[in-house]
Amino acid sequence: EEQLVESGGGLVQPGGSLRLSCAASGFSVSNNYMSWVRQAPGKGPEWVSSRNGGGGTNYVDSVKGRFTISIDDSTNTVYLQMNSLRVDDTGVYYCTRDTSKGYWGQGTLVTVSS
Amino acid sequence: EIVLTQSPDFHSVTPKEKVTITCRASQSIGSNLHWFQQKPGQSPKLLIKYVSQSFSGVPSRFSGSGSETDFTLTIDSLEAEDAATYYCHQTTRLPETFGQGTRVEIK
Repeated sequence: EEQLVESGGGLVQPGGSLRLSCAASGFSVSNNYMSWVRQAPGKGPEWVSSRNGGGGTNYVDSVKGRFTISIDDSTNTVYLQMNSLRVDDTGVYYCTRDTSKGYWGQGTLVTVSS
Repeated sequence: EIVLTQSPDFHSVTPKEKVTITCRASQSIGSNLHWFQQKPGQSPKLLIKYVSQSFSGVPSRFSGSGSETDFTLTIDSLEAEDAATYYCHQTTRLPETFGQGTRVEIK
C-alpha cells in the first residue's frame, strides 16, 4: 500500500530554518513526480515545489532561493529544506505523489513566529 | 500565473440534490485539471483527475467535465458525507495553482 508520512514541522522564529521529511512506502520516490503543497490556516492549498522523475525541480516564486526539494534513494524519502523562513510560510505542509496528486500525507505543521 | 476561479464560493444543499461546481481558468489549460475534496482536519483527497477520470475508490456520484477554460464538478444525489470544501487544481503551467474553494454544506 502506498503511503506518505511527513515530519519535521515545528515552531521557528523568522529567519530560521527547518527540514521537512516525507517518508514514502509502497513505491519509489526517485521514479515519481513528488511535490510539496502547503496550506495556510483557513486558506486553500498552495503548490510549493516539485521534483520530477528525471531530477528536475521547480518552485513557486515566493520560495525560490530559500527552499530546496531533494530525495534520498536509500531511505526513499523526500525532503524540503526551508531557510530564511518568513511569517507567511506558516501552514500545514503536505507531501504528494504524481502530477494529479492522488496520494497525500497527513501533513506537518510549520509555524513561523517570534 | 493561471488563475482558477470557482463558483459558487458556498453551496447549501439538501441530501439527494444534484450539485454543480464550476472552475474557470484565466487561460486555456487543456485537460490538466483535477478536483479535490477536503474535510476539516484532513488532507485533500483526489476525486477526479484530468477533467473527467475518476480516481480509484471515488463514488460514482462524482463526475467531471469541461475543456480549455471551463470545467465542472458534479455530485449526483448529494449525501451527508459530501459536506466538505472542493478545490480545482491545474498542472498545465507553472506555478501550479488551485481554485479558492467551494464549501458545500448540508441543509
